[in-house]
Amino acid sequence: EPEVTQTPSHQVTQMGQEVILRCVPISNHLYFYWYRQILGQKVEFLVSFYNNEISEKSEIFDDQFSVERPDGSNFTLKIRSTKLEDSAMYFCASSDDLARWETQYFGPGTRLLVL
Amino acid sequence: KNQVEQSPQSLIILEGKNCTLQCNYTVSPFSNLRWYKQDTGRGPVSLTIMTFSENTKSNGRYTATLDADTKQSSLHITASQLSDSASYICVVSAGGYQKVTFGIGTKLQVIP
Repeated sequence: EPEVTQTPSHQVTQMGQEVILRCVPISNHLYFYWYRQILGQKVEFLVSFYNNEISEKSEIFDDQFSVERPDGSNFTLKIRSTKLEDSAMYFCASSDDLARWETQYFGPGTRLLVL
Repeated sequence: KNQVEQSPQSLIILEGKNCTLQCNYTVSPFSNLRWYKQDTGRGPVSLTIMTFSENTKSNGRYTATLDADTKQSSLHITASQLSDSASYICVVSAGGYQKVTFGIGTKLQVIP
């Protein structure tokens, strides 16, 4: 069964450093998403992406965040200058053309720790 | 403010027993409600999705119900297995990606 993959599985970084989280969505999917889950808290929507542009973003997704689909297969989330409160599990998800976000497949997540 | 409340917070049951998890929401306008299973350290996996007109939906041993009038949903698990141990998350959408509200989940532990 096709699946969403994410790399790295874990990332430790110093406050103020840039990080790039990578995702490979399911190959025929056209809608892509990033979510985060701070330890012990709810999953929160960050951003959705379609046709090489952001469709919607939450208030969490400020100027420190950016997304990109650089090569038609990878989907990346960049945090320009990490803060301690960015420590969380980051999930990528994708969905196909017909189902859109109603049927999203999540990746296993990247656990980001900012020191 | 849109909210999704789940109960109980955690639950321990014996293998083979049934259980029911609850979800109450105040999301408006309502678009759909989904139940996800999330294993520790993994991404959520969709179990069911229900729209306004659907009252019940089953996926194997999982049965979800929806009462749009009282804004309540339940997830019933029959003949529980050890592999059912996970967090079960209720997610409600008001339409549009940023109008997605996640519950904090119910942590289920199935013991032999």
